Amino acid sequence: ETGVTQTPRHLVMGMTNKKSLKCEQHLGHNAMYWYKQSAKKPLELMFVYNFKEQTENNSVPSRFSPECPNSSHLFLHLHTLQPEDSALYLCASSQDAREAATQYFGPGTRLTVL
Amino acid sequence: QKEVEQNSGPLSVPEGAIASLNCTYSDRGSQSFFWYRQYSGKSPELIMSIYSNGDKEDGRFTAQLNKASQYVSLLIRDSQPSDSATYLCAVNMYSGGGADGLTFGKGTHLIIQP
Repeated sequence: ETGVTQTPRHLVMGMTNKKSLKCEQHLGHNAMYWYKQSAKKPLELMFVYNFKEQTENNSVPSRFSPECPNSSHLFLHLHTLQPEDSALYLCASSQDAREAATQYFGPGTRLTVL
Repeated sequence: QKEVEQNSGPLSVPEGAIASLNCTYSDRGSQSFFWYRQYSGKSPELIMSIYSNGDKEDGRFTAQLNKASQYVSLLIRDSQPSDSATYLCAVNMYSGGGADGLTFGKGTHLIIQP
């Protein structure tokens, strides 16, 4: 595996389900990010982790819960989601969280909430 | 409110011509600027980064930055049908207190006509 991988690639869940998205980076980076991309809206930053520490929570509802057990893995735990949460969820990583660090994206998880 | 503005298009350009994509940003203190290309159904891929005023060239791509005008642009020379995609402008509006991730524009949909 190379770059940034995400699983699953597609997920359909009901509003009462609990699921998790997984991201893994094989680039030796120390910062990881979750973004949400909805139709007709710009990519929105959700969470930032730098050296496993959460440094940013962009006013995300508590039904989204991130977890970063180490610098290579990032999870997004989902529970009691709403239909408006249906979107493409993108993981990214960068060498660190300096402003100049280039971020590389994974392929994304297409989430549909019924 | 941190904002990045782009004309959503579509921008239609004949094959072989120069495509010009523009972006403005709200945070005067921003220092890092990125252009990503996103094909339909795919994740963003980095085209160029730029940090200093002026032009930066990489193959057929030239990024231009004017911090005084809070303006960044991307020129694509000798446009090819494979350049047809949505181009995302991203700005790292670093607050100094921690990593802020990237603020994205909505993207410009570029169509190269054969």
